[in-house]
Amino acid sequence: DVKVTQSSRYLVKRTGEKVFLECVQDMDHENMFWYRQDPGLGLRLIYFSYDVKMKEKGDIPEGYSVSREKKERFSLILESASTNQTSMYLCASRPQVRGNQPQHFGDGTRLSIL
Amino acid sequence: SQQGEEDPQALSIQEGENATMNCSYKTSINNLQWYRQNSGRGLVHLILIRSNEREKHSGRLRVTLDTSKKSSSLLITASRAADTASYFCATDASGSYKLIFGSGTRLLVRP
Repeated sequence: DVKVTQSSRYLVKRTGEKVFLECVQDMDHENMFWYRQDPGLGLRLIYFSYDVKMKEKGDIPEGYSVSREKKERFSLILESASTNQTSMYLCASRPQVRGNQPQHFGDGTRLSIL
Repeated sequence: SQQGEEDPQALSIQEGENATMNCSYKTSINNLQWYRQNSGRGLVHLILIRSNEREKHSGRLRVTLDTSKKSSSLLITASRAADTASYFCATDASGSYKLIFGSGTRLLVRP
């Protein structure tokens, strides 16, 4: 089975801090994604990566950046955390671009910014 | 607005009853996928239906797709308390890398 592992289930940080969320997948998937999930808004795509060092903005990239130095790892960075970035963050991976393949999700990181 | 919109937003049924959730979308798609999310956890893929398919089954799950109406339904038969979760549809649009998720249906199955 595909395993997508997010480094923390719960995280509490302070306003202005630089925050790193880590995601690792073990199935050599080319595509990786970062979403945030908020009540009533569903899942919104922040960034995705289709290969090492390649990234594209999703629907809500403002205030975030990403890093993909190795195929298995995709990091989400909050450059200067703000309270409106308090949310559930979900990482996902998928084996191929535009193929009929599902995404595989990690368990999520619930991030609170105080 | 979201590409996929689920209906109803919340559903409460008795154990043993069937649960039906609907999803509408706006643009042409390669496939439509259904996911389940238990409270506080990540999403788990349930079933994928391609744009040239009309119906698909997996265990107690039945999914239909009507591309002319741009809609899909998920039927869970003989529901169990363990089916309590949120269910999301997601569309995989033609020429796109990404899935577009709806806001989900919260299903409560009462024992």
